[in-house]
Amino acid sequence: DAGVIQSPRHEVTEMGQEVTLRCKPISGHNSLFWYRQTMMRGLELLIYFNNNVPIDDSGMPEDRFSAKMPNASFSTLKIQPSEPRDSAVYFCASRGGSSYNEQFFGPGTRLTVL
Amino acid sequence: DQQVKQNSPSLSVQEGRISILNCDYTNSMFDYFLWYKKYPAEGPTFLISISSIKDKNEDGRFTVFLNKSAKHLSLHIVPSQPGDSAVYFCAASARNSGGSNYKLTFGKGTLLTVNP
Repeated sequence: DAGVIQSPRHEVTEMGQEVTLRCKPISGHNSLFWYRQTMMRGLELLIYFNNNVPIDDSGMPEDRFSAKMPNASFSTLKIQPSEPRDSAVYFCASRGGSSYNEQFFGPGTRLTVL
Repeated sequence: DQQVKQNSPSLSVQEGRISILNCDYTNSMFDYFLWYKKYPAEGPTFLISISSIKDKNEDGRFTVFLNKSAKHLSLHIVPSQPGDSAVYFCAASARNSGGSNYKLTFGKGTLLTVNP
């Protein structure tokens, strides 16, 4: 079982550039979550999809952030334009099957915006 | 407003002894609690959970205790091993109007170091 896959693992970009983070959830899981981790705020939920439909995007910081889930095996989180304060580790997690209350996290993408 | 608090940023324990990690919450609607462990450069991994209808759940060396009246939970690791050294996150969820517990609120974590 491959687990949740995220790419890239590290991203360094300049302010104003577009950034796209990618996630492949565990096969068979029907819920997908995007989180952001910073020193100041800890782990925060950005957006939650269920059966590929966005259910709760109240954690998305502002319009510069957008997320899509075109099918059950792929999701993207896009930041356009990026700013230095977006620097953080972004985690994708999925949930489903018999362990319905537990979320399984990917390894994260460390984003640095210069 | 932090709804889940882990007041100890770090904890150091000798191998073989007990590690006790604490977590407090303020939202009385939380009814499911989880502990996650995180190693550097990896995502959090699920460790153990407890429903609010219980006050204890045990899984091998790991036991979680829940005190609803005090809005407090703790994770006990006995005996502690060097491989347990990691950041431990407490998380909580509440059932929404649709009956789903999807949203996890995390504490900021406690770094546990187990010394050989």
